[in-house]
Amino acid sequence: AQTVTQSQPEMSVQEAETVTLSCTYDTSESDYYLFWYKQPPSRQMILVIRQEAYKQQNATENRFSVNFQKAAKSFSLKISDSQLGDAAMYFCAYRPYTGTASKLTFGTGTRLQVTL
Amino acid sequence: NAGVTQTPKFRVLKTGQSMTLLCAQDMNHEYMYWYRQDPGMGLRLIHYSVGEGTTAKGEVPDGYNVSRLKKQNFLLGLESAAPSQTSVYFCASSYPAGGTETQYFGPGTRLLVL
Repeated sequence: AQTVTQSQPEMSVQEAETVTLSCTYDTSESDYYLFWYKQPPSRQMILVIRQEAYKQQNATENRFSVNFQKAAKSFSLKISDSQLGDAAMYFCAYRPYTGTASKLTFGTGTRLQVTL
Repeated sequence: NAGVTQTPKFRVLKTGQSMTLLCAQDMNHEYMYWYRQDPGMGLRLIHYSVGEGTTAKGEVPDGYNVSRLKKQNFLLGLESAAPSQTSVYFCASSYPAGGTETQYFGPGTRLLVL
């Protein structure tokens, strides 16, 4: 079974600075998808960024980028120019390539605080 | 376009009571999911559906039943609630697009079982 590990329960960053959230996963599959979801205090889960394992290029979405190291099974999220609105829980998630439904396996989350 | 909605937002139950959580989506999505979120843990899949009239078990299905009689609705039932089912429940939906599909989540239902 696949597992997703987020070893940082909490992180803090100053506004306008850069922070990196870590995620490692375990799988025997060669093709899969990885995601970062954001959960603000409203509890709504919001997709931040997605990475296809067969793509070597790291995904980017505006201030959000990932460092995908397939051999190391590592998938970290970098947030640049942090803003107060980035404060939230961040969940890393894994999805196998095959399957009829997008069954996601989530990590335990990292709570990000953004300070002035 | 409301996206994914969940009813109710919060509920308190006594042990042994039953209830049904309703999830509705207006995006014509084929796939729907029910997750639970517990403190210190990520979301865990309870049941899911790949289309109207179909359901399947996820990672933690025990104590729950589901039904998908209409494409836009996915019901999660607790026949005899237990304190271990105290949790926040999230519904999600997606349109099949291989692995690139995005799951859209509802706002969650907080359930407290006494």
